[in-house]
Amino acid sequence: NAGVTQTPKFQVLKTGQSMTLQCAQDMNHNSMYWYRQDPGMGLRLIYYSASEGTTDKGEVPNGYNVSRLNKREFSLRLESAAPSQTSVYFCASSDWTSEAFFGQGTRLTVV
Amino acid sequence: QKEVEQNSGPLSVPEGAIASLNCTYSDRGSQSFFWYRQYSGKSPELIMFIYSNGDKEDGRFTAQLNKASQYVSLLIRDSQPSDSATYLCAVWRLRNTGNQFYFGTGTSLTVIP
Repeated sequence: NAGVTQTPKFQVLKTGQSMTLQCAQDMNHNSMYWYRQDPGMGLRLIYYSASEGTTDKGEVPNGYNVSRLNKREFSLRLESAAPSQTSVYFCASSDWTSEAFFGQGTRLTVV
Repeated sequence: QKEVEQNSGPLSVPEGAIASLNCTYSDRGSQSFFWYRQYSGKSPELIMFIYSNGDKEDGRFTAQLNKASQYVSLLIRDSQPSDSATYLCAVWRLRNTGNQFYFGTGTSLTVIP
């Protein structure tokens, strides 16, 4: 049982480049989340998906887009990366009665 | 006002002592409360959750919830060096668009051998 799997683990982008962070869960959870974590800022919600086919903005959505491809997969896209998007990104999933389960994280650097 | 507030620390305690971590939340509609531990460079992992007022004990860990004061705490008894980590408080709330978790900024704990 892999839980929540994120790819890639590390990425370096140049300013203006685009990329997609992938996330998949095998726990049959309805809800999935994307967070970013910066020093002193804690985990901040970027986007979430309460169920397949729905997505909603979180606290810091600007500069990001998401796709809930199916129940298992929830991707995060940076269309034009900026240095301010240098961060550690975590995908998480949960069900109505469970805690949030986290992926291993993606460490992204934008130069 | 932030949804969840924690003292960022750092908090240092000697090995064997009790570590006390505190958290307050702003929305009285919050329904469930979680404590996560995060080691440096790793993802958060759940330690405990609590839904009802009062205390909940699991081994060396005790979570305390006071909904009237909007206050959650985590006590770690007989602290060990392996407890050195950042502890994140999270609250869960059901909104009309789905359930959401809100996290505090975390408290850094160091247990000194």
